Amino acid sequence: QVQLVQSGAEVKKPGASVKVSCKASGYTFTTYPMHWVRQALGERPEWVGWINTGSGDTKYSDRFQGRVTITRDISASTAYMELTGLRSEDTAVYYCARDKTGNDYWGQGTLVTVSS
Amino acid sequence: DIQMTQSPSTLSASVGDRVTITCRASESISSWLAWYQQKPGKAPKFLIYKASFLESGVPSRFSGSGSGTEFTLTISSLQPDDFATYYCQQYSGYSRTFGQGTKVEMK
Repeated sequence: QVQLVQSGAEVKKPGASVKVSCKASGYTFTTYPMHWVRQALGERPEWVGWINTGSGDTKYSDRFQGRVTITRDISASTAYMELTGLRSEDTAVYYCARDKTGNDYWGQGTLVTVSS
Repeated sequence: DIQMTQSPSTLSASVGDRVTITCRASESISSWLAWYQQKPGKAPKFLIYKASFLESGVPSRFSGSGSGTEFTLTISSLQPDDFATYYCQQYSGYSRTFGQGTKVEMK
């Protein structure tokens, strides 16, 4: 069965960077793009960006341009999202989500807390 | 960026009620719309894609309709497990945006 398993919760100081991983299983990793979406408490989900897992091409939301990098390791069936220059407003749950005319499978979420 | 607006923000209903949620896009997205259900502390659950196609395993009481800029999600007979927050999402082009959500609560 399809599973997306993310890395654990992180606590970071303002200005630091965070890298979250998402390991896929149960399907051929390079068949579907992978998105990253974040959700602050009580807010709507917010799209961060996505990666074509085959070619490695990426697209990012304008809100995160210059601060976010999405990569993948095909041999490990794992996607990564790195966010730099963290600020308190980046505190949220970060999800990876497979793309299949919408996002059909989601990771369990990774809470990233930014606090001094 | 394409903006998505849902109404209502909160909906109070009883088991067995027919429930309808509306989602409007700021520009035409054809039928590139999905619906999700989310419960507290959980990831969104995929319900409907391409505006009206039911994801495998989703109960048939859920249905979607619409195209262009106006879309609806209908629950024909609300069940206890359906009390949750529902989001629409557009996926026209490379970016994605979500509506602000509709919380379906018990009357």
